[in-house]
Amino acid sequence: EVQLLESGGGLVQPGESLRLSCAASGFTFSSSAMSWVRQAPGKGLEWVSVISGSGIITYYADSVKGRFTISRDNSKSTLYLQMNSLRAEDTGIYYCARTEAYAFHHWGQGTLVTVSS
Amino acid sequence: QSALTQPPSASGSPGQSVTISCTGTSSDVGAYNYVSWYQQHPGKAPKLMIYEVSKRPSGVPDRFSGSKSGNTASLTVSGLQAEDEADYYCNSYTGSNNPYVFGTGTKVTVL
Repeated sequence: EVQLLESGGGLVQPGESLRLSCAASGFTFSSSAMSWVRQAPGKGLEWVSVISGSGIITYYADSVKGRFTISRDNSKSTLYLQMNSLRAEDTGIYYCARTEAYAFHHWGQGTLVTVSS
Repeated sequence: QSALTQPPSASGSPGQSVTISCTGTSSDVGAYNYVSWYQQHPGKAPKLMIYEVSKRPSGVPDRFSGSKSGNTASLTVSGLQAEDEADYYCNSYTGSNNPYVFGTGTKVTVL
């Protein structure tokens, strides 16, 4: 059974940093692209970033480019999202998702990030 | 990359069918057969219902079906059941440096 467990969310002030983690199990992690998708309170889904199975290829939404960095440790089956220069508009639930056939097949339960002074 | 356009709401009585549209452009929905649909109940993570326009993952009831014509994709839920009441989002691959775009979301109500 595929399991994805996010952690690392919390309350931070604008301009601060946070690193999210997503521990994966139940599939061959190194063979799967992985994504981060976020959802602001009461709003819709927004794709944030994707990384290839090898970690070599990464893409970012324009809204986070230059501030967020996606990475992975295949030896630990863990996905990361380093978030710097956080803004109020980055507030929301962050989900990691196994990405296959250009779709998000499995999702974690999400971790809440709140950016507020 | 602008969000794909979905109607804010849709509804139907139990047993009826409801169809949700997802309108994009010739650069996303119209360009690739990589449209997917997600169901999200309140307070829960999204769940994949359809991928590659019309394929159903294992475990998704065949009451859920997808299609595409030009720049518009559609999700049809037949034989509506109470548990189908949820938010639904479409997504498309774009082939650009912003490779994925979600729809605005549709709240489905079972009357």
